[in-house]
Amino acid sequence: QSVLTQPPSASGTPGQRVTISCSGHTSNIGSNTVNWYQQLPGTAPKLLIYSNNQRPSGVPDRFSGSKSGTSASLAISGLQSEDEADYYCAAWDDSLNGQVFGGGTKLTVL
Amino acid sequence: QVQLVQSGAEVKKPGASVKVSCKASGYTFTSYDINWVRQATGQGLEWMGWMNPNSGNTGYAQKFQGRVTIARNTSISTAYMELSSLRSEDTAVYYCARLRHYGYYDSSGPKYYYYYMDVWGKGTTVTVSS
Repeated sequence: QSVLTQPPSASGTPGQRVTISCSGHTSNIGSNTVNWYQQLPGTAPKLLIYSNNQRPSGVPDRFSGSKSGTSASLAISGLQSEDEADYYCAAWDDSLNGQVFGGGTKLTVL
Repeated sequence: QVQLVQSGAEVKKPGASVKVSCKASGYTFTSYDINWVRQATGQGLEWMGWMNPNSGNTGYAQKFQGRVTIARNTSISTAYMELSSLRSEDTAVYYCARLRHYGYYDSSGPKYYYYYMDVWGKGTTVTVSS
């Protein structure tokens, strides 16, 4: 059971906008910034969004993040086939004194 | 370019130990902390612990306390993660990742303004089987 809660799956058609939610508690999302990682099949995770809504260099602006209270979300607009991947949210947890992750959301592009 | 190169796959018997290495290049090894994260087949990501390569200070997830040791050799810019008393549930891909964080300590522990992993190794598969 993961500390952060994500839907196990999401889907959309090319060009659509999809959102993935991430729910936590005051000790993690409520107190700290949220990051999102993208994991393409058979590869290592890659930083997609950091500090709630910041994109590293090279990440398309189709990807955006937001946070409100103890929840966060990742939005992908103009969905493309290469966006098919697993997406994980993550945050520091002040009570556990450790990094916690969501269980991951498998995004399928129909 | 900045990269973390991990050691090759390992097969171990239950009860044994495994040591995975992570060699940093393209940046000053001692300037950034290193996290270790693992992923069992078909499962999510699980944080194991961190190390400050400059001081050697470490911190471990409670689940792995007493079984995991993270260390470094600064002369070759390499971090290590050793996991002992292996069991079948430890079969997983183990990743090292460079950590970017900024914060302070108070009486209850670290408090971060930001905390994220910006560079990841490709992973090392560890299989535990009799």
